[in-house]
Amino acid sequence: KNQVEQSPQSLIILEGKNCTLQCNYTVSPFSNLRWYKQDTGRGPVSLTIMTFSENTKSNGRYTATLDADTKQSSLHITASQLSDSASYICVVSVIGQGGKLIFGQGTELSVKP
Amino acid sequence: ETGVTQSPTHLIKTRGQQVTLRCSSQSGHNTVSWYQQALGQGPQFIFQYYREEENGRGNFPPRFSGLQFPNYSSELNVNALELDDSALYLCASSLGSGGSYNEQFFGPGTRLTVL
Repeated sequence: KNQVEQSPQSLIILEGKNCTLQCNYTVSPFSNLRWYKQDTGRGPVSLTIMTFSENTKSNGRYTATLDADTKQSSLHITASQLSDSASYICVVSVIGQGGKLIFGQGTELSVKP
Repeated sequence: ETGVTQSPTHLIKTRGQQVTLRCSSQSGHNTVSWYQQALGQGPQFIFQYYREEENGRGNFPPRFSGLQFPNYSSELNVNALELDDSALYLCASSLGSGGSYNEQFFGPGTRLTVL
């Protein structure tokens, strides 16, 4: 069964600190892996997209890594800001299934002053 | 803002009724995907439309149906509403069909409540 699992489920950090979110997937055949940020009640916004041949991708203070052998990805947030408080969702795209994206359940990040 | 709009923003229906949700894709995009997001969960893929044809479907019953129009806007129709259909419904537009590297841009969603 194609699955995407994220940890931790929720996380509280102080403003200015770094954090790392984890994603494990069992999706096959794998096309690409994406990290999205979703503010409460809003649609997800893409942070990074990586194919199986890419190991790392950065977008400002966000850095995603991918290990296609172990089927693990991480999202590292540097120097967190209050506006980083959101749900961060790991999403895997499946080859040949008409655009099907498989979403993890998300990690709820809360950045406190 | 992604340029993807959805209407209405909120909707309340009763069990057994039918509902139509609408999505306008980003300019130049020919593909629309629909997702259902229950509270506290990640979105679940419902189906995708590419150039007015259904291009893939998730594990949703036939009472979930859709359309894509020549201008690439789209509708999601749900018949015989059930309480479990209460969710945030998201649409996403992209250029080209999925499984590819094409980025999907999400709208703000429609919050459906079934009583």
